[in-house]
Amino acid sequence: AQSVAQPEDQVNVAEGNPLTVKCTYSVSGNPYLFWYVQYPNRGLQFLLKYITGDNLVKGSYGFEAEFNKSQTSFHLKKPSALVSDSALYFCAVRDRGNNAGNMLTFGGGTRLMVKP
Amino acid sequence: DAGVTQSPTHLIKTRGQQVTLRCSPKSGHDTVSWYQQALGQGPQFIFQYYEEEERQRGNFPDRFSGHQFPNYSSELNVNALLLGDSALYLCASSLARSEAFFGQGTRLTVV
Repeated sequence: AQSVAQPEDQVNVAEGNPLTVKCTYSVSGNPYLFWYVQYPNRGLQFLLKYITGDNLVKGSYGFEAEFNKSQTSFHLKKPSALVSDSALYFCAVRDRGNNAGNMLTFGGGTRLMVKP
Repeated sequence: DAGVTQSPTHLIKTRGQQVTLRCSPKSGHDTVSWYQQALGQGPQFIFQYYEEEERQRGNFPDRFSGHQFPNYSSELNVNALLLGDSALYLCASSLARSEAFFGQGTRLTVV
């Protein structure tokens, strides 16, 4: 079974400061990893994914994520936070096995609050 | 290019009733998945449809069923509604095993 943990319910950061939203995962095989963002009363928007290759993945809106296989982590980062980044962030994992289908397993979400 | 569209956006039903939610995938996508997101939680996978067949299913009872049509659109049906079925229902589409794109969701309230 696969699982995702987002250990922080909320992350507070001042505008202009760097931000990190943490994610650790557990999967039987090698993972595909994703970050999504959700604004109030909206669906999920895709930010970035790790498939293979470079451990540092760049995504939308200046976000990036670092894959660490030994620590089974995939932390989301941004060098300089904006107030408009305030939202709910979800980390998700998918097994890359051929019979694994497309099922995403999500973490519980982390609310990011960026204060002016 | 329209993204994933879901209808209706909001729905109120009474316990014991049945509900049908609809989803049109992003243009070019052939795979549709459904998720349930309870308040304050992450989305939970219900099932996935590809080539008009259910290919994968999460830990949801048989009251939850679905269908995919030849044009790749999909329906989620829930029978004998319970209060605990109140949630945001998200549809996601993808092409084969590419990343999933989500719709805005249908907010279902069971009273």
